[in-house]
Amino acid sequence: NAGVTQTPKFQVLKTGQSMTLQCAQDMNHEYMSWYRQDPGMGLRLIHYSVGAGITDQGEVPNGYNVSRSTTEDFPLRLLSAAPSQTSVYFCASSNLAGEEETQYFGPGTRLLVL
Amino acid sequence: AQSVAQPEDQVNVAEGNPLTVKCTYSVSGNPYLFWYVQYPNRGLQFLLKYITGDNLVKGSYGFEAEFNKSQTSFHLKKPSALVSDSALYFCAVRGAGGYQKVTFGIGTKLQVIP
Repeated sequence: NAGVTQTPKFQVLKTGQSMTLQCAQDMNHEYMSWYRQDPGMGLRLIHYSVGAGITDQGEVPNGYNVSRSTTEDFPLRLLSAAPSQTSVYFCASSNLAGEEETQYFGPGTRLLVL
Repeated sequence: AQSVAQPEDQVNVAEGNPLTVKCTYSVSGNPYLFWYVQYPNRGLQFLLKYITGDNLVKGSYGFEAEFNKSQTSFHLKKPSALVSDSALYFCAVRGAGGYQKVTFGIGTKLQVIP
């Protein structure tokens, strides 16, 4: 049971490049989400999904796309990277099971956009 | 819109003294409330949650939190702080029931002084 995995751990991009941050979980969780963490800003929700084929926007969705074709995977796409997207990105999953509900976080991806 | 406020950027406490990290929230309906901890260069780890039931919730590593509905607060507490408790602490909230997104506070840095 690997939990939530994220790749890559670190990435450097040039402005305008595109890339996909990968996220996978092996706990059969319904709910998956992407956050970015910036100093003084805490964690801000980018996009989330409540199941395969269902996604919705969070607080800061601009410049990012997501899809959820399977329960396990929830990739985050940067369409045209900008320096403002330099951040640490965390993927999380949860079973939305009421009293058993807990979010499990991946180790994060550090992204630097030059 | 739901929100979480963590009014203190940093809390300093001497080792062995009790600690409190404050959190207030705003959400429609009944809240699900969570505390997470982040150690340097790591992802977030679950500490404890309030879903329903007793207002005093006990969690990992000796932490506890008290849900106060009238004050819309969910303060994190520990009777005796350890140097190893030094970390970044996040409070989070979502509305009860169904599929609802989770909103995090900006985090409070806890520094336990030997």
